[in-house]
Amino acid sequence: SQQGEEDPQALSIQEGENATMNCSYKTSINNLQWYRQNSGRGLVHLILIRSNEREKHSGRLRVTLDTSKKSSSLLITASRAADTASYFCATDANRANDMRFGAGTRLTVKP
Amino acid sequence: DAGVTQSPTHLIKTRGQQVTLRCSPKSGHDTVSWYQQALGQGPQFIFQYYEEEERQRGNFPDRFSGHQFPNYSSELNVNALLLGDSALYLCASSDLGTGGWAYGYTFGSGTRLTVV
Repeated sequence: SQQGEEDPQALSIQEGENATMNCSYKTSINNLQWYRQNSGRGLVHLILIRSNEREKHSGRLRVTLDTSKKSSSLLITASRAADTASYFCATDANRANDMRFGAGTRLTVKP
Repeated sequence: DAGVTQSPTHLIKTRGQQVTLRCSPKSGHDTVSWYQQALGQGPQFIFQYYEEEERQRGNFPDRFSGHQFPNYSSELNVNALLLGDSALYLCASSDLGTGGWAYGYTFGSGTRLTVV
């Protein structure tokens, strides 16, 4: 079963705009990760945030985590056409050592 | 440094047949996890192997089985294929000894299985 749910399911923006995707999950976690997938290929790890962290940055990516609301957000600033992909959040459901994914947000960045 | 290698890349099977998918983990990784991803959906966890044993299992029937070899490579076997088994099967590796998934999984490009 899926642990997380991303919102929105699809997002279309213009190049240069910011993109925000949200993830909600159900059970307690140790960590939350965001992954990117291009056209049904393998997933690429973007960023990890631990349960005791509230915000993390990596290049144009900013991730926040609110454990009280069981939610996270991924912000991509100054988006580029090459950012077009599906983005998934993943959590260690019930603190087990495996990852459970949401259904993803499909981001389209128009040039 | 090779990443995760999966074979074959594409496969077409007939309903009722059996299939074996293969995965070689990233060098230095000792844990392999398998996921099923239907079109337009997120990856669904099938199971995870470490030290040649199944450590965790998702909500998949016994038709799905696996194996891990001493060199850490892994196989996913699916018996009595159903049309609904058509999906992208992803293998992901991690190093449990240094914290496992907490440092991020490395994924292969997947095997696209079509059951007709």
